[in-house]
Amino acid sequence: DAGITQSPRHKVTETGTPVTLRCHQTENHRYMYWYRQDPGHGLRLIHYSYGVKDTDKGEVSDGYSVSRSKTEDFLLTLESATSSQTSVYFCAISEFTDINSPLHFGNGTRLTVT
Amino acid sequence: QQQVKQSPQSLIVQKGGISIINCAYENTAFDYFPWYQQFPGKGPALLIAIRPDVSEKKEGRFTISFNKSAKQFSLHIMDSQPGDSATYFCAAAGANSKLTFGKGITLSVRP
Repeated sequence: DAGITQSPRHKVTETGTPVTLRCHQTENHRYMYWYRQDPGHGLRLIHYSYGVKDTDKGEVSDGYSVSRSKTEDFLLTLESATSSQTSVYFCAISEFTDINSPLHFGNGTRLTVT
Repeated sequence: QQQVKQSPQSLIVQKGGISIINCAYENTAFDYFPWYQQFPGKGPALLIAIRPDVSEKKEGRFTISFNKSAKQFSLHIMDSQPGDSATYFCAAAGANSKLTFGKGITLSVRP
């Protein structure tokens, strides 16, 4: 497995509370991504980062923010959690952004918003 | 609009049989087509990928067939094994676009 650690692995939170998920990598890869996986929707990109303090939105970014203050850490924050954000969240990394650089995924964080 | 569509939604195959998963795409600018494999409790992992300059790519028991005119590509798993039971995602990307994933298909290989 690529050196990707997601924390926590499981979390239950209440509607309206802020939640932060962490992704830590030991590969020194420049590019990092946050995806969510939902039945019937597959994997959808939330936000991505192409360097320290350089981030951009994906296709489902509403309600989420990200930060990357160090190469190895990429944080995903749900500013005010809603039940629709119940999902499994995956962090991924890649060495380059071009199509010859595969994505390596972490093992996910299962988030339940009650 | 879903740019990458997988079929079927689920698949059950007997051990030793051939598993076939299909994928259709919309965007003619896509020029990279990977398949990712995901086991329960794990993240997806790249299984095999193809570029449109070839019609087929084989790696062990796994083969991608690509039909550019039909905008379709498929994954064939020969001699399917229970250990192949997983969720499979097709995806597509172009030079200026991030990977777009299909919805995924659950494959169950019966002993």
